Amino acid sequence: NAGVTQTPKFRVLKTGQSMTLLCAQDMNHEYMYWYRQDPGMGLRLIHYSVGEGTTAKGEVPDGYNVSRLKKQNFLLGLESAAPSQTSVYFCASSYNGPSQETQYFGPGTRLLVL
Amino acid sequence: AQKITQTQPGMFVQEKEAVTLDCTYDTSDQSYGLFWYKQPSSGEMIFLIYQGSYDEQNATEGRYSLNFQKARKSANLVISASQLGDSAMYFCAMREGPGGTASKLTFGTGTRLQVTL
Repeated sequence: NAGVTQTPKFRVLKTGQSMTLLCAQDMNHEYMYWYRQDPGMGLRLIHYSVGEGTTAKGEVPDGYNVSRLKKQNFLLGLESAAPSQTSVYFCASSYNGPSQETQYFGPGTRLLVL
Repeated sequence: AQKITQTQPGMFVQEKEAVTLDCTYDTSDQSYGLFWYKQPSSGEMIFLIYQGSYDEQNATEGRYSLNFQKARKSANLVISASQLGDSAMYFCAMREGPGGTASKLTFGTGTRLQVTL
């Protein structure tokens, strides 16, 4: 059982380049999330999805786009990378249920924008 | 205003001792949830414990317990019998609103715990 996986683990981009981060989960979770983590700060929500074909903005959505074409995958896109987007990106997923909805996190993607 | 406040940037504890990591929160919702996550140096986020706002008992998971004081809006994590492997960054997080919807978590800035011999 792989849980939540993220591809790639590390990437270096030049300013203005584009890229897509892939998140995949095998737990049949309805909800998926993208966060970024910057030094000295907690995780901040970028975008999230409550089901296949749906996405919504989080706390810091500017400069990012997302898609959820399949239930198990959640893609995060950077159309024109900026140095301010240098960060560690975490994907998470959670069960659609009335209880605690623990979020399970992937291992993270470290992105450096030069 | 900060929704989640962790006032201890760093803490030291001796092995086998207990340690309390502080977390205070701010919300006007009656229904909410509080989470603690551990982030070791390897970087992954590991779920530790959860407390719902309507839970009357403090949550416990093995050596972890959550000291929930609703009136004070605090949700401190207590780790008993610390081990060297507990050295990590610890994050408190809150979900506002009732369960059954997407858990948009707000995280604190974290506390770095170092367990010493």
